[in-house]
Amino acid sequence: NAGVTQTPKFRILKIGQSMTLQCAQDMNHNYMYWYRQDPGMGLKLIYYSVGAGITDKGEVPNGYNVSRSTTEDFPLRLELAAPSQTSVYFCASSSAGESNEQFFGPGTRLTVL
Amino acid sequence: GQNIDQPTEMTATEGAIVQINCTYQTSGFNGLFWYQQHAGEAPTFLSYNVLDGLEEKGRFSSFLSRSKGYSYLLLKELQMKDSASYLCAVLDSNYQLIWGAGTKLIIKP
Repeated sequence: NAGVTQTPKFRILKIGQSMTLQCAQDMNHNYMYWYRQDPGMGLKLIYYSVGAGITDKGEVPNGYNVSRSTTEDFPLRLELAAPSQTSVYFCASSSAGESNEQFFGPGTRLTVL
Repeated sequence: GQNIDQPTEMTATEGAIVQINCTYQTSGFNGLFWYQQHAGEAPTFLSYNVLDGLEEKGRFSSFLSRSKGYSYLLLKELQMKDSASYLCAVLDSNYQLIWGAGTKLIIKP
């Protein structure tokens, strides 16, 4: 099993550009999450999904969108990138039930200039 | 508001024992997690506590007191590879994980 995979690993965007961060998992997990991690700060939840076709906002959803058309994939869309979105983005998944451990992807380091 | 406090940084010696504390104030409680994160890498799961008491797992143990809003992670027989950040996270009443900023642990020979 590859676990949780994310692409790209690194990306530099100009202000106002858009991009999609890809996330896929092969563990048949129902729950998937997108976090951002700023230096010296805790992880902040952007969006999450409890199953295909179902998504919900987390703590910091502004400037982002998600979709969940399949169990495996959970892409994160950035529209009109801003310097405040410079961060490391982690995708995670877990089996049914929020009390189960989350498995994280390797992260995407995004810089907006 | 919701708040999780951990020390920013700790230093310990190889072979010794270190205790990393975490205090929390959240809207509800449905469990507490500890994750390890090496620099430049993703967090990996260490432990989960939902009932009071000590959970032991090899060199690592985690303790929870719900009445005090307090947990600690105990690392024994420290190894250089234990140098990492340790993240405390609480599952609140909405089953959302609230994360602390993490404690950077530096191990010296």
